[in-house]
Amino acid sequence: EDQVTQSPEALRLQEGESSSLNCSYTVSGLRGLFWYRQDPGKGPEFLFTLYSAGEEKEKERLKATLTKKESFLHITAPKPEDSATYLCAVQSTFDNYGQNFVFGPGTRLSVLP
Amino acid sequence: DAGITQSPRHKVTETGTPVTLRCHQTENHRYMYWYRQDPGHGLRLIHYSYGVKDTDKGEVSDGYSVSRSKTEDFLLTLESATSSQTSVYFCAISALLWYEQYFGPGTRLTVT
Repeated sequence: EDQVTQSPEALRLQEGESSSLNCSYTVSGLRGLFWYRQDPGKGPEFLFTLYSAGEEKEKERLKATLTKKESFLHITAPKPEDSATYLCAVQSTFDNYGQNFVFGPGTRLSVLP
Repeated sequence: DAGITQSPRHKVTETGTPVTLRCHQTENHRYMYWYRQDPGHGLRLIHYSYGVKDTDKGEVSDGYSVSRSKTEDFLLTLESATSSQTSVYFCAISALLWYEQYFGPGTRLTVT
């Protein structure tokens, strides 16, 4: 069974204090790993897709990286507006009526001014 | 922002009542999804659609049915609502299956 875990569950940073969020996955064969951002009371917002180990994607202060077992979302010099819950999701290569796409539980990030 | 709306945005209903949630898109995307989000469980897929009248089950489909008679509309029906179906429901759309999903604003459903 495909599994996705994220750590830490919650993270508090001071403005400008860089850090990383982790997404670990156990899947039969990775087809894609996705990062989303979710603000309170809103739907998730798509950030990145990563397809293979070694791949990196960047957007403003965020950089996502991928290895064979996990992905990291690096946040450089965060600002209070980066506060949100960050979700990762994985798609595996075996199509099993929707069971091949799974979201992780998320990391709740708070950036204090 | 992707053109996705959900209605109603909030609903309170009683146990045993049928409930229908609507998702409407203006992006002409082929794929549409229904998720529920609960504390401790994260986002879980209920049903998805890969075209008009083409739907399939997700991880937590029991007690839910869906219909898609037009590209732009995807309906989620709770045939007989139960308290365990109290949740926030999100609709999403994508041009490719599973990829770069764009989510609606959500519907908060309370079953009393």
